[in-house]
Order: sequence, then structure tokens, then C-alpha cells
Amino acid sequence: EAGVVQSPRYKIIEKKQPVAFWCNPISGHNTLYWYLQNLGQGPELLIRYENEEAVDDSQLPKDRFSAERLKGVDSTLKIQPAELGDSAVYLCASSLGRPGDIQYFGAGTRLSVL
Amino acid sequence: AQSVTQLDSQVPVFEEAPVELRCNYSSSVSVYLFWYVQYPNQGLQLLLKYLSGSTLVKGINGFEAEFNKSQTSFHLRKPSVHISDTAEYFCAVSEVDSNYQLIWGAGTKLIIKP
Repeated sequence: EAGVVQSPRYKIIEKKQPVAFWCNPISGHNTLYWYLQNLGQGPELLIRYENEEAVDDSQLPKDRFSAERLKGVDSTLKIQPAELGDSAVYLCASSLGRPGDIQYFGAGTRLSVL
Repeated sequence: AQSVTQLDSQVPVFEEAPVELRCNYSSSVSVYLFWYVQYPNQGLQLLLKYLSGSTLVKGINGFEAEFNKSQTSFHLRKPSVHISDTAEYFCAVSEVDSNYQLIWGAGTKLIIKP
């Protein structure tokens, strides 16, 4: 069974440019999460979807970040425009969405903003 | 959970020696507890979890953890480490009646010395 797939693995852009990350969750997982992970820190939740609905986006910087999960499967996270401080690893995870369920993570996208 | 503390940012240990990675949390309600491992340039993978029942939980790769409610701790242990255990280990906590949000510790790098 395929795990959570993220692309690209690495992305280097100049500041003020747009960037997009893509995530394909495990089949049947209705809950999808986007996290940001800075070096030496734990993941920080950006947004959580249940099917196609964003049920927790309180930590998403909405002035420059946006996300969508059309049809409740794949998801895209976009930054426009990117800033130097956005350099980090962006992780996608999925789960069945029940209390105590395991979150399964993709390998992440490492973003470098120059 | 209000916060998760992993006091040790790095733990160096000789190969075949025992290791304990500490995790403390603050919460006034019942919690679910998780340990995840992150190998270099990979996503996070579940080691073990505590939902209820026996306070001693066994996970993959010979790791185990013990939930101590009075001390609000969930320390991770392994009796004999191998070079392949070199990774970063994250403790995460979710309050039982929360919106499934995981609160993450900052991580502990386990460094195995030959």
C-alpha cells in the first residue's frame, strides 16, 4: 500500500516568487494535515482537512498561504509571495480522523527561499 | 495539552548501551501519547502510542515507553541501541476530547557513538 506522497522533495526559489506543494494521502484517509517543520523543532500544524472541508486553519498565515483539497483527496499548499522566513520543511500527513488515530507522514518538501 | 517538553535536544550514547529519552507534558485532562521517529531526510514514523490500559507500551525496533500519569511523563527507552537508531525522536500529545490536534515536543537527536 502506498504511503503519503509529497512532491516536490526539494524546492529552491527566490523571495517574492510563488511556490506550491502537492500531497496525495493514503487511500481512504479522510483527514489530511499540513505541517511546517523548522530545523530543530517539532511540526507545527498549518491546516487540517476533514474530507474537503478545512476544519482547523487557525495557524495558517492567510495573507500569503492558501490550501485546497478538491474532491477530498489530493491537496495543494501554496505560498504567494514567499519570504525568506518561509524556508522550512513542509510535511503532509493523513489519518482516518478518529481520536487517537495514527497520523501517517509523507517525506516532506524542503523549501529554500533565497 | 498545553505543552510538551523534551528536555534533551541531543543524547549521545555508545552502541549497545541503554538509552532513555524524556518527555513531559502539561495537561489537566486525559491524553493520548505518541512517540515518532524521523530518520534523516525522511518523514515521521510512529514508534508507539498510548491510548489507555497498560502503562507500559511496546513499539517497533525494540523501543518501549511508560506512561506515568502522576508525573505527566512518557519516557522512551531501549535496552541496547544500534547505529541504525540514529535519528530524531519526537513526543506528541493529544487531549482525548480535543479536535484531534497533536502538540509536539521539539525533538531529541539520538547520536550513537561506535
